[in-house]
Amino acid sequence: QSVLTQPPSVSAAPGQKVTISCSGSSSNIENNYVSWYQQLPGTAPKLLIYDNNKRPSGIPDRFSGSKSGTSATLGITGLQTGDEADYYCGTWDSSLSAYVFGTGTKVTVL
Amino acid sequence: EVQLVESGGGLVKPGGSLRLSCAASGFTFSTYSMNWVRQAPGKGLEWVSSISSSSSYIHYADSVKGRFTISRDNAKNSLYLQMNSLRAEDTAVYYCARDPDDGDYVGYFQHWGQGTLVTVSS
Repeated sequence: QSVLTQPPSVSAAPGQKVTISCSGSSSNIENNYVSWYQQLPGTAPKLLIYDNNKRPSGIPDRFSGSKSGTSATLGITGLQTGDEADYYCGTWDSSLSAYVFGTGTKVTVL
Repeated sequence: EVQLVESGGGLVKPGGSLRLSCAASGFTFSTYSMNWVRQAPGKGLEWVSSISSSSSYIHYADSVKGRFTISRDNAKNSLYLQMNSLRAEDTAVYYCARDPDDGDYVGYFQHWGQGTLVTVSS
């Protein structure tokens, strides 16, 4: 059972914006950096956002991350069919001494 | 280019053992923390274990503590996961993943391998 909660699914039309929430606690999100991963069907996960809001090289600025208190948010603007994937948040949990992932969110482009 | 190539997966009976390997290239392996992350069929991601560059800091998920052992050989640029007392719930794709640097806890997973499938079934 994951300690980080995400909505199971979100959807929007091409060109629109979606946001994915990630809810945690003071032992994880509030006091540690959050990262986000994209997993396209049948492939390994890929780093999308690190240190709450930084993008690795090659990740378009349509993807953004933010954090406030015990929650984090991933935003995707200008939605494209190629963005259909599962998205996971993750962070270190200082109480568990373990890295924890969110429950995962499936993004569907209508 | 960073490359991580896992191997050693396969079919094993409950209670059995398996050793996974991850061959690293394209970076100075000995200076980075490394991790194993798994994904059961149709399920989400689960972090399994991490090891610092010199093996000084090692962490395990509660679900594998006492059964799995992570190790590394910096001379061979390789990461390992020894899995004992395997259970059906250990069935998953196991990914090798690199941290952005070295440390006593996991930062994030900057690079991932393609994964190797472990199936525990009689």
